[in-house]
Amino acid sequence: AQTVTQSQPEMSVQEAETVTLSCTYDTSESDYYLFWYKQPPSRQMILVIRQEAYKQQNATENRFSVNFQKAAKSFSLKISDSQLGDAAMYFCAYSFGNEKLTFGTGTRLTIIP
Amino acid sequence: EADIYQTPRYLVIGTGKKITLECSQTMGHDKMYWYQQDPGMELHLIHYSYGVNSTEKGDLSSESTVSRIRTEHFPLTLESARPSHTSQYLCASSEFRAGGQETQYFGPGTRLLVL
Repeated sequence: AQTVTQSQPEMSVQEAETVTLSCTYDTSESDYYLFWYKQPPSRQMILVIRQEAYKQQNATENRFSVNFQKAAKSFSLKISDSQLGDAAMYFCAYSFGNEKLTFGTGTRLTIIP
Repeated sequence: EADIYQTPRYLVIGTGKKITLECSQTMGHDKMYWYQQDPGMELHLIHYSYGVNSTEKGDLSSESTVSRIRTEHFPLTLESARPSHTSQYLCASSEFRAGGQETQYFGPGTRLLVL
């Protein structure tokens, strides 16, 4: 079974600085999808960024980018120029084919003003 | 934000009561999901559906039941609520695509407190 591991339960970063959240996964598949979701306190979970495994180029969305290392099965999220609104739980997730998502345990990110 | 709705947003109820948590989406998505999440913790999939009249149990055993009579509607029912059911319940939906990949869109959640 696929597993997703987020080894950092909590992270903090100074406002305007850069932070990287780690995620590793285990799969025997070669073509799959990876996601980072953000869940702000008492607010809706939203998709931050998505990566397709067959694409070598790392996905980027404004201040958010990923470092996708397929051989190492690593999928870290980098947040540049951190803002107070980035404070949230961040969940890494994996999906293969049309199967349901497998989520990691989450990383709570605190932004220090 | 995605067009997926959950009601009620907050519910406090006594032990033994029957409750139904509503979830609806206006995106025409085939796939819908229910997750249970304690505050600040990981998500546990408790039910999912790949279309009308299709329901499956998720990874976490749950005493709740679901139904999918209409594409847009996926209610979750607890026949007899207990304090152990106190949690947040998140509904999500996604589009079925040939070749795979699913971006799940989440509702705002229902926070349930059973006294």
